[in-house]
Amino acid sequence: AQKITQTQPGMFVQEKEAVTLDCTYDTSDPSYGLFWYKQPSSGEMIFLIYQGSYDQQNATEGRYSLNFQKARKSANLVISASQLGDSAMYFCAMREKAGRRALTFGSGTRLQVQP
Amino acid sequence: DTGVSQNPRHKITKRGQNVTFRCDPISEHNRLYWYRQTLGQGPEFLTYFQNEAQLEKSRLLSDRFSAERPKGSFSTLEIQRTEQGDSAMYLCASSTDRELNTEAFFGQGTRLTVV
Repeated sequence: AQKITQTQPGMFVQEKEAVTLDCTYDTSDPSYGLFWYKQPSSGEMIFLIYQGSYDQQNATEGRYSLNFQKARKSANLVISASQLGDSAMYFCAMREKAGRRALTFGSGTRLQVQP
Repeated sequence: DTGVSQNPRHKITKRGQNVTFRCDPISEHNRLYWYRQTLGQGPEFLTYFQNEAQLEKSRLLSDRFSAERPKGSFSTLEIQRTEQGDSAMYLCASSTDRELNTEAFFGQGTRLTVV
């Protein structure tokens, strides 16, 4: 069963507007963490934001916020005031407390910011 | 410390040849992960080390693949008798073994092309 699902292969957004990238997950572990990474065309994975399963508040990091809906098992990334440099692949990932603690990634969303 | 370093950045090899990649993690990180990423997909877990011990290998890691982490520092990933299906980006990541929310830091990857 796929543990992380990103249903938007590609998204377009106008510069300075906000955009939401969807992510749903599946786990039976009550303790887990959700991550978003950005991958520019250069290839490196850049950590953006983290949400823990027991966190009461949605995580925020600058222009990034995470809309965490635990009952729906969704962890959508919101980017406010999009910039041209935000154009990249975005990956949602999960780490479960049990086991190896390696990240399980979704298939990603390619975001293109248009001027 | 400048982060996770991977070498080479690019490798083109003929089918049937052996290749070896190197990963130098962040020095105080005791966990090291290898992932494989094919075009248009998210990274897939291959194997991970805690210090020098290889604790888990994915079913993706056929017997042509071997990874080592001598002395718990740098790691190598070797692919023997390469096949065209091995063409991918190979990513290395490192982290500390502390909290669930500990982010993994990624290298820039080694892009392998098997011709």
